[in-house]
Formats: sequence, structure tokens, C-alpha cells
Amino acid sequence: DTGVSQDPRHKITKRGQNVTFRCDPISEHNRLYWYRQTLGQGPEFLTYFQNEAQLEKSRLLSDRFSAERPKGSFSTLEIQRTEQGDSAMYLCASSLGTGMNTEAFFGQGTRLTVV
Amino acid sequence: AQSVSQHNHHVILSEAASLELGCNYSYGGTVNLFWYVQYPGQHLQLLLKYFSGDPLVKGIKGFEAEFIKSKFSFNLRKPSVQWSDTAEYFCAVTAGDYKLSFGAGTTVTVRA
Repeated sequence: DTGVSQDPRHKITKRGQNVTFRCDPISEHNRLYWYRQTLGQGPEFLTYFQNEAQLEKSRLLSDRFSAERPKGSFSTLEIQRTEQGDSAMYLCASSLGTGMNTEAFFGQGTRLTVV
Repeated sequence: AQSVSQHNHHVILSEAASLELGCNYSYGGTVNLFWYVQYPGQHLQLLLKYFSGDPLVKGIKGFEAEFIKSKFSFNLRKPSVQWSDTAEYFCAVTAGDYKLSFGAGTTVTVRA
């Protein structure tokens, strides 16, 4: 499968612990996005990379959240000092192009449960 | 900030029935419009998209959507559903940038 892959698929962690998620986009896709989805809601935008540059961060992304895309390929999303409110599905997507008319392809997500 | 509203939270219908899911958005400028589907246990997949041109867009699996600019709407339709169309459907919009704004989703249950 050459789609967007995310690891792990599920993560259970204790409150206060740090967690890191990985996303491998479709090869050669220059854009990468992170979204968060909670039960009964659609995905909400967190952050966006064009190649290795993080170009936009949502206000949803508190100081405890950090994302990187060091070589313009895979990306990591780290949450420090997790809280119960961080429990959600974290989705990664990628797209190809330089203009506005692009289609994003989504991974299967990482489901985080903070206990 | 733009918002996206999906009219129905849960729709239940029988096989061969027609389906129409409503979607309205609040942004007044140029928009790109999308419908995504999420089958049970699977990732979000694109059903169809509208960037410009013919406002009636045909997608995969027999779905179509109509962009009505004056009504800020992008409703999804399928003339005859199958049991395999059971899924969650999301309308999404980009408005002058790359960020997708999603509606809350509509769960569609098709009874055999």
C-alpha cells in the first residue's frame, strides 16, 4: 500500500506522559497536514508543512504540541504532558502541488487514549 | 472563520432508496468543495471534489454533488444506495488556503 501510513494505530498513555506519532506521506507529496478528530465531529486542522517548513499552526495546537518534518518526508507529532482532553484520533494527510487546487489523501490515523 | 454545516447527523434508509446529504458553508469567497467518505475501520477517502467549471460533479461509486453558489451549498446525491454505502460522510471546504474545514459528518446506515 503506497498511501499515507501512520504509526502507531492506537496509543494508550497515562496522563502526564509524552507521546509521539509518526506519519509517512505518499512519496513525493510536498504537503503534509495534521488533523485531530474527536467523537461526533469532523477532523479539525492542526498544522501544515510544505516540504520541511511548518507554514501554519492552528490555535488548537497548544505549547504542549510540536510537529516536525525534518527532511521533508515523514513527520512526527509530539504531545508533552498529555491531558485527558488530548484523547482523540490524530489524522495525517498529504497532497501534491503548489496551488490551491489540491486533493488531500488521509492516513488511517492514530487513536490516542489518555487515562 | 468559515464553517461547514451538514444537515443530518444520522440517516437510515433501505437498499435502492435515493440518498441526499445536505452541506452548507459560510465562506463568501472562492471555495473548493469536497465530499469524503469513511467506511467502517477505514481511512477517509475522497468521493468527489469541485474546484471550478460544471457545478454538477460526478464522483466514484455513483455519487454526484451539485454546487449551488447562491445557496452556499454542495449537496451529495446517489440515486440508488447499496448496503456497502454504509459509512460516515464528511463535507469539507477550503477557502483561499490549504486547510480543510470539515462538517460534523453524517452517518449513513443502509439496511439490506
